[in-house]
This record gives sequence, C-alpha cells and structure tokens, in this order.
Amino acid sequence: QQPVQSPQAVILREGEDAVINCSSSKALYSVHWYRQKHGEAPVFLMILLKGGEQKGHEKISASFNEKKQQSSLYLTASQLSYSGTYFCGTEGGFGNEKLTFGTGTRLTIIP
Amino acid sequence: DAGVIQSPRHEVTEMGQEVTLRCKPISGHNSLFWYRQTMMRGLELLIYFNNNVPIDDSGMPEDRFSAKMPNASFSTLKIQPSEPRDSAVYFCASSPPTSGIGELFFGEGSRLTVL
Repeated sequence: QQPVQSPQAVILREGEDAVINCSSSKALYSVHWYRQKHGEAPVFLMILLKGGEQKGHEKISASFNEKKQQSSLYLTASQLSYSGTYFCGTEGGFGNEKLTFGTGTRLTIIP
Repeated sequence: DAGVIQSPRHEVTEMGQEVTLRCKPISGHNSLFWYRQTMMRGLELLIYFNNNVPIDDSGMPEDRFSAKMPNASFSTLKIQPSEPRDSAVYFCASSPPTSGIGELFFGEGSRLTVL
C-alpha cells in the first residue's frame, strides 16, 4: 500500500525551512527519501532504519517514528537547488522487501 | 563508473505493437527493480529481482507485461500488445547487496508513448 505524503506541494523563499511528512498504514522496517528534478531520475537522499540508524545526506535530516509508522524530512535554510519532487519510499521488512514510493511532494524554491 | 543504463530513452509506437525496454544494472549490484511513473499514479513498482530471480511481480499490471533477467547484467521489460494507457516513463534501478533494500541507483528512464 502506497505511503501518503504531505503536503502535496510547497513554495518557499530561499533560506526558509520545510518539513515533508510520510505516513504508512503498515509496520515499517525502513524509510527511504529520494529527490527527483524535472525530467530526471530520482536520486537517493537517505535511509532511516528501524532502530534509529541513518545513512545518507549530511545536509538534510529526517526522523522516523516506528510506532506511528511515520517519517519526516527536514530541509533547513533551503537553497534553489533543493527544488524538485521528494518521494518517501517504505520497506516492510523480511518477506516484504520491496520499496513502495509515496505520492510525492513538489517543492519549489524561489529567490 | 557507469551507472544504470536503459534503452531506448524514447519510444513512440502504435497500439498493439510489442515494446521491449532494456536495462543494464551497475556491476556488482544484485537487486534490480522496474518502476513505472505517471502523473496519476506516481512511481509504481512493477517487479523486482534478487540475484536474477523474480521476487515480487505483484505490481505487473496484467499478462501483457513480462520481465526477464537472464543474467546479472541484463534485464528486459516487455509489453505485448501495447495500449495507450501504458504510456509512461519506465525506470530501472539497481542496488548493491545489503541487509534489506539499500540505496537505489536509477537509470535515466525510458519514455514510452503509445498512440
């Protein structure tokens, strides 16, 4: 089942902060975050694992609440290069090891 | 190092024709994923392979779609016969051996238009 992201779209001025949320109805083993620029392929940002381990981007942070099956991506002091569509991907763990992507959040940064 | 290579980048075909999309994963990666992206449904997982074996094909829309991975360096996604609703960007992605699913490396995609 596809995770739900919010908001669907957000417009920020350069330097402002943004939070993107991802929620699943199923128990999660990990949450992945990707960014896709228009006309390009998705690019990996980070993985958050059950138990608290994180792997990925140094300048972007995220949280993973296992009990609530939710994750949030925090973009601070946004730059023009942060523009794009952000997808969370959820993995259900052993026996359900596939990455299901959310609906996407379109982020536009204006000068 | 070469990334994931997909071909063709663009394909325009007529309804009823057979379409074959190709993917070469990154050397050493043992998992391969086919995703379809449309405005309406976003990124949908069609099928994924682990060590060349199909693990989950529950996302394959119907019998018109088939995928193979004859060896570690090549995979195909075939649509026969194609329909206009198959128009989408098809991404192939590979990931290295790891516990669970690791970082996915996506190819540039194959944009399919069925007239």
